[in-house]
Amino acid sequence: QVQLVQSGAEVKKPGASVKVSCKASGYMFTDYTMHWVRQAPGQRLEWMGWINVGSGNTKYSQNFQGRVTITRDTSASTTFMELDSLTSEDKAVYYCARGRSGWQLDCWGQGTLVIVSS
Amino acid sequence: DIQMTQSPSTLSGSVGDRVTITCRASQSINSWLAWYQQKPGRAPRLLIYVASSLESGVPSRFSGSGSGTEFTLTISSLQPDDFATYYCQQYSIYPWTFGQGTKVEVK
Repeated sequence: QVQLVQSGAEVKKPGASVKVSCKASGYMFTDYTMHWVRQAPGQRLEWMGWINVGSGNTKYSQNFQGRVTITRDTSASTTFMELDSLTSEDKAVYYCARGRSGWQLDCWGQGTLVIVSS
Repeated sequence: DIQMTQSPSTLSGSVGDRVTITCRASQSINSWLAWYQQKPGRAPRLLIYVASSLESGVPSRFSGSGSGTEFTLTISSLQPDDFATYYCQQYSIYPWTFGQGTKVEVK
């Protein structure tokens, strides 16, 4: 079955970077896009960007001011989301989500908690 | 950014109730709208896409309607498993945005 398994929780200091991974299984990895969405405590979901896994093309939300980078390793069926210059406002659960050809997000990872604390 | 506003923010219901959640977009998104269900500590689950298409495996008591700027999610007969938070999401214009959520709780 389709499964997205994310890396474990991270604790980072302000100003640092975090890199979260998302390993896919159960489908043709390069046939879909992969999106990243985050959710701060008690807040709505926030879309961060996507990568076309086949081509490597990316699209990011301008709300992250160039701090987010999404990459993939097709040999490992894994995508990565790196967020730079962390502040306390980046404390959130980060999700990867598969995008179908119609762009709906049909399968989500279990989430990765990122805590930013000095 | 397109603002997505859901109403109500909280909805109290009983098993068997028909419940409706509304989602309004700050500008037209045609039918590029999805609905998700999220339970505490869990990832969102896709229920509806392109405003009214039921995702595979989702019970038929869930339905979606609307286009342009106003959309609804209806649960025809609320079941114990349906108590959760529901989010709408537009994927018409970048950046994609979500509503603030509607918590469906036990009356």
